[in-house]
Amino acid sequence: DTEVTQTPKHLVMGMTNKKSLKCEQHMGHRAMYWYKQKAKKPPELMFVYSYEKLSINESVPSRFSPECPNSSLLNLHLHALQPEDSALYLCASSQARLAGVEQYFGPGTRLTVT
Amino acid sequence: GEDVEQSLFLSVREGDSSVINCTYTDSSSTYLYWYKQEPGAGLQLLTYIFSNMDMKQDQRLTVLLNKKDKHLSLRIADTQTGDSAIYFCAESASSNTGKLIFGQGTTLQVKP
Repeated sequence: DTEVTQTPKHLVMGMTNKKSLKCEQHMGHRAMYWYKQKAKKPPELMFVYSYEKLSINESVPSRFSPECPNSSLLNLHLHALQPEDSALYLCASSQARLAGVEQYFGPGTRLTVT
Repeated sequence: GEDVEQSLFLSVREGDSSVINCTYTDSSSTYLYWYKQEPGAGLQLLTYIFSNMDMKQDQRLTVLLNKKDKHLSLRIADTQTGDSAIYFCAESASSNTGKLIFGQGTTLQVKP
């Protein structure tokens, strides 16, 4: 099983809402990633977790709050977002947080902030 | 700093070969990757090459690496309509954090 799953597929939320994105993998990977992708642009790294600990935060605004409850799950909690936060949010995982290790991507959550 | 550049668009006829090019700046990159993204989908890793290799072939895909010129290319033989997608070149960041530096992506259009 080389699958990374993400829920929901689509999410529409208002600027005052609180919502969460979920990501799951059962490959025994110990590194998990959140990326943000705007239309026609490459993915931009937001956060990296290694062994359930946050190891990289790419200066992401605090209205995005990641959480890694266990080695298979990664959440992204959203609060007080802005319309410019509308994007495709991609989760990825890899065996370890090292160069040359394949990152497997999920299908993404399409987020629209109204 | 680290930077990866690609041309934005390529159009080919079905059955022809496609060549997508990429240049990168970080000479210490150890791995270079090609990802494919179909509309509305996540990224699929197609292939990657270690920096001490010149070429890697995998079925219809051939990757060529010119380390001196920091140039990477992906050749798709016998291109099919199902190959229509955005192709991203990426390098592993020199900090070895697992971070990938992506190019802007090349949209491949395959005409029947």
